[in-house]
Amino acid sequence: DTGVSQDPRHKITKRGQNVTFRCDPISEHNRLYWYRQTLGQGPEFLTYFQNEAQLEKSRLLSDRFSAERPKGSFSTLEIQRTEQGDSAMYLCASSLDRLGNQPQHFGDGTRLSIL
Amino acid sequence: AQKVTQAQTEISVVEKEDVTLDCVYETRDTTYYLFWYKQPPSGELVFLIRRNSFDEQNEISGRYSWNFQKSTSSFNFTITASQVVDSAVYFCALSAFYSTSGTYKYIFGTGTRLKVLA
Repeated sequence: DTGVSQDPRHKITKRGQNVTFRCDPISEHNRLYWYRQTLGQGPEFLTYFQNEAQLEKSRLLSDRFSAERPKGSFSTLEIQRTEQGDSAMYLCASSLDRLGNQPQHFGDGTRLSIL
Repeated sequence: AQKVTQAQTEISVVEKEDVTLDCVYETRDTTYYLFWYKQPPSGELVFLIRRNSFDEQNEISGRYSWNFQKSTSSFNFTITASQVVDSAVYFCALSAFYSTSGTYKYIFGTGTRLKVLA
């Protein structure tokens, strides 16, 4: 169990650019979650996958955001045409779970800064 | 509506003091789950405990203890004899059932920043 890993740890980019983050969950975990966390707030749910299927997307996830988990293993989160308001910590979590009521294991996050 | 309230934004204590972090939740569901997570400065949220709505038994794990009271919709967390390494942001979370998706979803509180001073 090597834990959830996220890459990169930090990303600085200019407004309007596209960015992509990667998450590698704990290997046997079937569920993978993406959250966004801003300063002084708790994580806010963005989307989750059960194996390769994306089962739910938050209203926070605008059309500029897309997530994939092509083979039910790692996942990517892409933000197109970034805006200042996208600056946040993006957290990935995974769990071995059927219903979504089990503890989630989090990665260190990717901090996105938009110039 | 599902909601988690952590009214204490920041708490500072001196090492060896006991400290209680409050968590109040709202849900109409009869089956739900409550969690506490710790987020140290490094950023990774670390799972501490899970409680289901049918189990009101309090739990103690070393210096940590949790008091779950359905009557007041509270799930408070106490650290006894606090240490500098306890300094972190602590989040309470509710996993509640959403009928639209047929699954449970986490809702986090805004967190309580605990500073333990040497």
